[in-house]
This record gives sequence, C-alpha cells and structure tokens, in this order.
Amino acid sequence: DQQVKQNSPSLSVQEGRISILNCDYTNSMFDYFLWYKKYPAEGPTFLISISSIKDKNEDGRFTVFLNKSAKHLSLHIVPSQPGDSAVYFCAARADAGGTSYGKLTFGQGTILTVHP
Amino acid sequence: EPEVTQTPSHQVTQMGQEVILRCVPISNHLYFYWYRQILGQKVEFLVSFYNNEISEKSEIFDDQFSVERPDGSNFTLKIRSTKLEDSAMYFCASSPDSVYGYTFGSGTRLTVV
Repeated sequence: DQQVKQNSPSLSVQEGRISILNCDYTNSMFDYFLWYKKYPAEGPTFLISISSIKDKNEDGRFTVFLNKSAKHLSLHIVPSQPGDSAVYFCAARADAGGTSYGKLTFGQGTILTVHP
Repeated sequence: EPEVTQTPSHQVTQMGQEVILRCVPISNHLYFYWYRQILGQKVEFLVSFYNNEISEKSEIFDDQFSVERPDGSNFTLKIRSTKLEDSAMYFCASSPDSVYGYTFGSGTRLTVV
C-alpha cells in the first residue's frame, strides 16, 4: 500500500534555516491531509492539517502547501529549531461519500535532524 | 490537555498467547481507533470503532483481532493467538469527529517471543 509516500527517509538542517518535508499521494479520493510529529516512545502528535479545498495553511512556524494537480504536499518549518528534531509523518483521509470514519493512511516518515 | 492513555507501555508475550491492550480515550470523543507500527515501517490502520461497533477495518485485522468498549471508558484490542509478526507498537487514538482533533496515545510495545 503506497498511497502516501515520503521519499526522503531523512533530512538534516541547520538551526534557523528552513526545513521542507515532502509527501506524495496517489489516491485522488483523499480530501484531508495531516502532518504528525513523533518522538521515540511516544505516539504521533498532530502538527497541522489542510483540506483539499485549500492550497496553503499556516500555523506559526509551520506551513503546509498542497498541490492537488501534482498530488503533492509539503511541510515548511521556519525557522527550524533543535527541538523540531523528530520523525514527521504525512497522513491522509479519503472521503467515502461523507461516510468516512476517519481512517488515516500514513507515509513512511522522514527523520528530521536540526543541528544547533 | 486531555490525553489518550494506553497500558501497558510494554508487553512481552509468548507466541500463541492471548494479549489485551488497553486504552482510555478522551472522554467526550466518539470515534476510536487502533493503529500499529512494525519497527522501521509506516503506521498502519487496524480498525475504527464508532457507536459501539466496528465501522471500518483493514486486511490486517483478521479473526485473531477483536475490539471492545466494555464500560464506556476503556477501549481494548485483543489478539487471540499472538504470532511473531504481531510484534509492533500499537497506538490507540480517539477523535470527537471523524478527523479533527484526532489524538494518539503513547503506544504499547508488544513483543512476541
């Protein structure tokens, strides 16, 4: 099941610079996208989301961009901080004609390391 | 901030044994989920539960798996006869609706030996 793909297993960035994490999807029924952050031995923590009717959503240092025609979304973190070092997962929900029960499909994750 | 609580944090069991993983979702949430993550792999959906019944399940969720909300607060995942390949982190999640406010617990690491 490769409906959501994060092709970069890892990303290393200097503190203060921009981190860009990418995610591609194949299922055109996906209508809602989320980014989660995960530390070792913890569950995924919600970061930011975007509906398919938008192309950008911003929350503080985090911005998510959605390009529906390319089936691509990205998470920008500006400025990056050492505390941002974690695994970042992209996830998507498919609209089931209004009867979705919220199943999320996850990408493989990208390990972000922010160096001081 | 409200949390989803999972117990135990780590469970070791022998192959063929039954295990029950426990979760206490956030109290006013209506949708409940189990996911799992095998080491080094992606987080995978197992099952969703709404209105006291399974609303959706994946192909992973076969007859060896069952879920229950026995008392209106706990949400359990039972694996009847564990296999080595069931070793994974199991995450419980809950949500007040089908997506927004989706909150995960810290997980139970299941090790089958």
